[in-house]
Parts: sequence; C-alpha cells; structure tokens
Amino acid sequence: EVQLIESGGGIVQPGGSLRLSCAASGFTFSNYWMDWVRQAPGKGLVWVARILIDGTSTYADSVKGRFTISRDNAENTLYLQMNNLRAEDTAVYFCARDVFGGDLNWGQGTLVRVSS
Amino acid sequence: SFELTQPPSVSVSPGQTAIISCSGDKLRDEFASWYQQRSGQSPLLIIYQNTKRPTGVPERFSGSTSGNTATLTISGTQAMDEADYYCQAWDRSTVVFGGGTKLTVL
Repeated sequence: EVQLIESGGGIVQPGGSLRLSCAASGFTFSNYWMDWVRQAPGKGLVWVARILIDGTSTYADSVKGRFTISRDNAENTLYLQMNNLRAEDTAVYFCARDVFGGDLNWGQGTLVRVSS
Repeated sequence: SFELTQPPSVSVSPGQTAIISCSGDKLRDEFASWYQQRSGQSPLLIIYQNTKRPTGVPERFSGSTSGNTATLTISGTQAMDEADYYCQAWDRSTVVFGGGTKLTVL
C-alpha cells in the first residue's frame, strides 16, 4: 500500500523557517516525480514545487528563492525547506506522488501557520 | 506561468449529469487531470491524461477535451459526489491547478 506521511508543520513567526518532511512507503520512491501542494484555509489547491527523478526542481513563482524541495532516495523521504515565511504561506501542505502526469497519491497534509 | 479557469459552482440533481469545465490556452498542448476533494479530505485523482480513470474510480466519471477546454462529466450523479473538483495541467516549468468548482447535489 502506498503511503505518504507529512510532518514538520507548526506555528512560526514571519521571517522564520520550517522544514517539512514526507515519508514515503509502498513504492520505489526514487522512480517517481514528487510534488508539494498547499491549500490555505477555505481556499483551493496551489502547486508549490516539483522534483524529478534526477533531482531537477521547479517552483511556483510565489515561493521561488524562499523554498527548496529535495529528496533523499536512500531514506525514501521528500523535503520542503521553507525560509523567510510570510503570513500568506499559511496553509495545509500536501506531498503527492506523480504518476501518469497526475498526482495519484497524496498524504494527509501538515498545517503550517505563519503568525506573530 | 499559465491559468486554468473553472466555474466556482455547479449544481445538479441526484441521478442527473454534472458537467464541469476547465479552460486555458495551455490545454491545447498539455494533458489535463481532475481531482475530487471531499470536505476535510486529501484530493483524489479521478481523471488523468484528459480521459483516463485510475483504478477504482467509478465509470460515471469521464473526461474529455476540445480546443482549450477540458471537461469533467459525472453521469448519474450521486449524493456522495458532492465535493470540490479541481483541474490541473503542467508543462516543463510549472504545474497549475484551476480555482476549483464546488459541486452541490441538490
């Protein structure tokens, strides 16, 4: 069974940093593209970042230069390092596995709240 | 970047057909995916590559595309289909979700 379990969310002050993790199991992690997607309270889904099999990464303009996606294939773990956080980064952050060009599997999400 | 536009809401009676559209120029060149998100749950992929259903997704869900518009059709809509629906497309540098459509089954 494919499982994605996010962790690392919490409350952080504006300008602060946080690192999210996504533990993957039930599939060969190194063979798949992975995404981070967020959802602000009561709002829609917004893509944040993608990392390919070879480690190439792409970002939404709103987080470029502040967030870094990475993967540890030996540990089957996806990361999102978030720096210089802003109030508008408050959201539930989901990790997702891309299959066939769609995000087939999703975690349960971890809540990040940026507040002073 | 690019944009995908969905209607904010669609209403349908039980047993009828619900149609949700997603428009954007990128859809002329790239595949669309569709997601269902019930209240308080993680999204669920229901359509990928414009028309394909992942294993386990009911046949009443179908996808199509024409020009710059992708369409999700739910035939014989059931009360359990009440949810938010999102389209998605991507290219080499970005992934975009539509704004989402709230489907109400009256």
